[in-house]
Amino acid sequence: TQLLEQSPQFLSIQEGENLTVYCNSSSVFSSLQWYRQEPGEGPVLLVTVVTGGEVKKLKRLTFQFGDARKDSSLHITAAQPGDTGLYLCAGGVLTGGGNKLTFGTGTQLKVEL
Amino acid sequence: EPEVTQTPSHQVTQMGQEVILRCVPISNHLYFYWYRQILGQKVEFLVSFYNNEISEKSEIFDDQFSVERPDGSNFTLKIRSTKLEDSAMYFCASSTDRAGWGTGELFFGEGSRLTVL
Repeated sequence: TQLLEQSPQFLSIQEGENLTVYCNSSSVFSSLQWYRQEPGEGPVLLVTVVTGGEVKKLKRLTFQFGDARKDSSLHITAAQPGDTGLYLCAGGVLTGGGNKLTFGTGTQLKVEL
Repeated sequence: EPEVTQTPSHQVTQMGQEVILRCVPISNHLYFYWYRQILGQKVEFLVSFYNNEISEKSEIFDDQFSVERPDGSNFTLKIRSTKLEDSAMYFCASSTDRAGWGTGELFFGEGSRLTVL
């Protein structure tokens, strides 16, 4: 059974601060996807990383895939209240039948004015 | 922008009743999935479907569950005899327009909230 642990579980910060969310596993994944989920809605894809060591930037968000493809991080620079939400990492294992995702436990971020 | 759509958004049912949740995946995608999320818990894989058959299923997906692609657009999840513990958000997802590997990015619908009384 593959497990993905996210830390921290909860994070409350002030506007303008930087933060990093970690996603760790003992398993190797074909890809690592980061989602954001609002209450009562489905996960919305933010980014996919597929190569060990890969770094992707999405405005103030920086995503990194570990060299061994077992872990990932999400760094937010100068957080804003609009960044508030639940961030999920999901490790993918590709097979001929598709991409089976194992989701992390989630990080609930709250950015206050 | 193409999206995955799900109906109903919320269904309340009595224990033991049959429920069918419907999904319209992104039109040129080939792989389809159901996930569920019990309130306060993480998103869990149920089943993946490709080429008109189940390609993988989790231990949650027992004989009470079935999936079907009855026509070229819909993808359904049926729960034959619902239990209290089936109460959850059920998410449909689809991925890639190319058979084979690709990046496998999954795009999720808004979810169907199932409440079993």
